[in-house]
Amino acid sequence: AQSVTQLDSHVSVSEGTPVLLRCNYSSSYSPSLFWYVQHPNKGLQLLLKYTSAATLVKGINGFEAEFKKSETSFHLTKPSAHMSDAAEYFCVVISGGYNKLIFGAGTRLAVHP
Amino acid sequence: DVKVTQSSRYLVKRTGEKVFLECVQDMDHENMFWYRQDPGLGLRLIYFSYDVKMKEKGDIPEGYSVSREKKERFSLILESASTNQTSMYLCATSPGLGGSGEQYFGPGTRLTVT
Repeated sequence: AQSVTQLDSHVSVSEGTPVLLRCNYSSSYSPSLFWYVQHPNKGLQLLLKYTSAATLVKGINGFEAEFKKSETSFHLTKPSAHMSDAAEYFCVVISGGYNKLIFGAGTRLAVHP
Repeated sequence: DVKVTQSSRYLVKRTGEKVFLECVQDMDHENMFWYRQDPGLGLRLIYFSYDVKMKEKGDIPEGYSVSREKKERFSLILESASTNQTSMYLCATSPGLGGSGEQYFGPGTRLTVT
């Protein structure tokens, strides 16, 4: 069965410093992985997706993620945090037919001045 | 752009009431999904539908049912609301088989059952 584990429920960074949100996956075959973001009082928005092409995936708003099969990881990074990055982030894997999504528990990112 | 709308942003219902949550999409997507979102649990799939009048149970279907009479509309029904169904409910859509798997989400309905 497919699953994802987000290793931190809360991450706090200063504006201008790097962001690292960690995600490990479990899959019996090559997975399709996503990161979604949810800003306060807004719907979920796709940040980026990995579908077995390049292992380094670039997304919107300067975020990127690297697929590492040897570590079963798909960590999300950004070189320099902005106040507007404060949100909840979900690591997601596709499971089974009909493109069902399995969500991690989420990581809430706080950015302080 | 895909547009997914949900009938209410906030809803307050009493225990035992029958509750209908409506979701409408304008992109002719085959697949539609209902999730509930709870703190620390992420999103959990309640039901999904891959075609008109077709439905499949997700991971937590107990206490819920769904209806899809038209392709663009997918309803979630709480037959007899209970306090443990207080949650944020999110609808999502995606193209049929062959798509990348990306789902498009509505803004959510925050349901409180008292």
